[in-house]
Amino acid sequence: QKEVEQNSGPLSVPEGAIASLNCTYSDRGSQSFFWYRQYSGKSPELIMSIYSNGDKEDGRFTAQLNKASQYVSLLIRDSQPSDSATYLCAVIRNQGGKLIFGQGTELSVKP
Amino acid sequence: DGGITQSPKYLFRKEGQNVTLSCEQNLNHDAMYWYRQDPGQGLRLIYYSQIVNDFQKGDIAEGYSVSREKKESFPLTVTSAQKNPTAFYLCASTHTDRVTEAFFGQGTRLTVV
Repeated sequence: QKEVEQNSGPLSVPEGAIASLNCTYSDRGSQSFFWYRQYSGKSPELIMSIYSNGDKEDGRFTAQLNKASQYVSLLIRDSQPSDSATYLCAVIRNQGGKLIFGQGTELSVKP
Repeated sequence: DGGITQSPKYLFRKEGQNVTLSCEQNLNHDAMYWYRQDPGQGLRLIYYSQIVNDFQKGDIAEGYSVSREKKESFPLTVTSAQKNPTAFYLCASTHTDRVTEAFFGQGTRLTVV
């Protein structure tokens, strides 16, 4: 079992729609969860971080965490073509410890 | 401005040669990481270090070596034992005493010729 798994892509949504990205993790002791966006050939940039159960909203982005189900998701509302990128889920047990990434989900937003 | 710098951006290596990738940060971060990314894949952890003079193997450490002699620096050596080194290499850093995200360098693209 992979330590961090994301739903396989590519995911294609029309402009203006909601994109839903999912991630599961195996270590129940994980404390911090991150969503990064990566454009082709570039380094990842942070979209959202979440540390406690529930929802966290930032503009068009909402992260959802359910530690009991070991599940974290990212919703992108009103998707734009500029949102087309690979989204990476990352999980860490202790700050500064082993930071593990999922395999990424490629999102394509069609005009 | 604080940040994390990787050099060079592009690197070419002949088969059988060792090569060292540089990673320097001035963010006063204690923890530093090296990842490898292959086309269409996620980031795989090579090595990480939480403190000077200490580091741990990640999931794909074979064929790589690191050192952490200074807090600011975490160079990665790709040795001739790494059979398929062509990839995009990313360095990251973060705090250990507070909850925060990891910051990334711009990456080094290594090609074996």
